[in-house]
Amino acid sequence: QQQVKQSPQSLIVQKGGISIINCAYENTAFDYFPWYQQFPGKGPALLIAIRPDVSEKKEGRFTISFNKSAKQFSLHIMDSQPGDSATYFCAASRLSRDDKIIFGKGTRLHILP
Amino acid sequence: DAGVTQSPTHLIKTRGQQVTLRCSPISGHKSVSWYQQVLGQGPQFIFQYYEKEERGRGNFPDRFSARQFPNYSSELNVNALLLGDSALYLCASRQDRNYGYTFGSGTRLTVV
Repeated sequence: QQQVKQSPQSLIVQKGGISIINCAYENTAFDYFPWYQQFPGKGPALLIAIRPDVSEKKEGRFTISFNKSAKQFSLHIMDSQPGDSATYFCAASRLSRDDKIIFGKGTRLHILP
Repeated sequence: DAGVTQSPTHLIKTRGQQVTLRCSPISGHKSVSWYQQVLGQGPQFIFQYYEKEERGRGNFPDRFSARQFPNYSSELNVNALLLGDSALYLCASRQDRNYGYTFGSGTRLTVV
């Protein structure tokens, strides 16, 4: 049972463009939605996270948009740079219950120089 | 400030053998979790420990076991290794439930 569905599987964006990755979740008990960035040979690194009481959160070039009614959230990377090329994972958790993190299957992002 | 450290970084084992992976959480972090990441997939939850007590277990066979020590470090043990156990094993720690997890770089286990 996949509780967090992520798309697309891979994405190619020109330098300076906007990268958009989408996720949908099923469990309305989730109360914490992080995005992780992973480079080859490294563990996932927390990029940005949002709680369901907020519709948008921005940190630098990274923005999470959250639609609670649709049970969807997305990551927008503005002014995408070659250094952003990595695998991105959306995830969900019941932080208040100290619960495990459920990851999506990941999106391989490649930024063309 | 050191992050989550895992050892060894790489490991090659033969089918049927046993393996122990080690994790040192960030100083002050009492919660440690283990995840398995198969190539091309997202991490899958294996275990969570808090204050040396098991708080959660994922859908993994009994060949997988773990423990947390008084200094909050942790070990993951896998017995009777199968080829399918080949993966990146990630350890993550956090201070308490109000914070997200920080992951280590993982141990790459190859079973031949």
